[in-house]
Amino acid sequence: SQQGEEDPQALSIQEGENATMNCSYKTSINNLQWYRQNSGRGLVHLILIRSNEREKHSGRLRVTLDTSKKSSSLLITASRAADTASYFCATVRRGNNNDMRFGAGTRLTVKP
Amino acid sequence: GAGVSQSPRYKVAKRGQDVALRCDPISGHVSLFWYQQALGQGPEFLTYFQNEAQLDKSGLPSDRFFAERPEGSVSTLKIQRTQQEDSAVYLCASSLNPGLAGNTIYFGEGSWLTVV
Repeated sequence: SQQGEEDPQALSIQEGENATMNCSYKTSINNLQWYRQNSGRGLVHLILIRSNEREKHSGRLRVTLDTSKKSSSLLITASRAADTASYFCATVRRGNNNDMRFGAGTRLTVKP
Repeated sequence: GAGVSQSPRYKVAKRGQDVALRCDPISGHVSLFWYQQALGQGPEFLTYFQNEAQLDKSGLPSDRFFAERPEGSVSTLKIQRTQQEDSAVYLCASSLNPGLAGNTIYFGEGSWLTVV
């Protein structure tokens, strides 16, 4: 069964706007990762945040993690049409180093 | 090659047919994972190899699914007597080090299986 749940399921914004996607999970985690998937393609790793970190940046991406609420958010600033894709959070469970569970994803559409 | 390579990219199988999906991980990568992704869903874990050892097969949905990695590099996922519910994208991923903690894993483009 899937671990994370992304919110919203779909998001449509104009180019230049910021996009925020949220993820909630259920168990204790080692780390949480965000992936991007273009239609018909494989997943591309975006960013990893460890359980003892609260915020991480990479270019136009900002990820936060709140382990007390078991939630994370991915912010894409100054979005571009090329950011159109599905975004998934994935959690690696504490105590099981091989087990990475994905949510159902957020489908982001950035209109030019 | 530079990335994880999967073949075939697309496979149409008749119900009851056996299929074999191949994954070539990045050279030297110790860990190899198989995931199943249904349309509109996130990937679901199937199985994990560390070198040639299959350390976790808890995600395989039935005994019709079998995976192997005999020499610790190329892996094959075999599905016997395919059913319509097996239709999905099968994703292979690899990482340099054992396990997932702190390691980036690299996904292939997937094998799209349609059972008719």
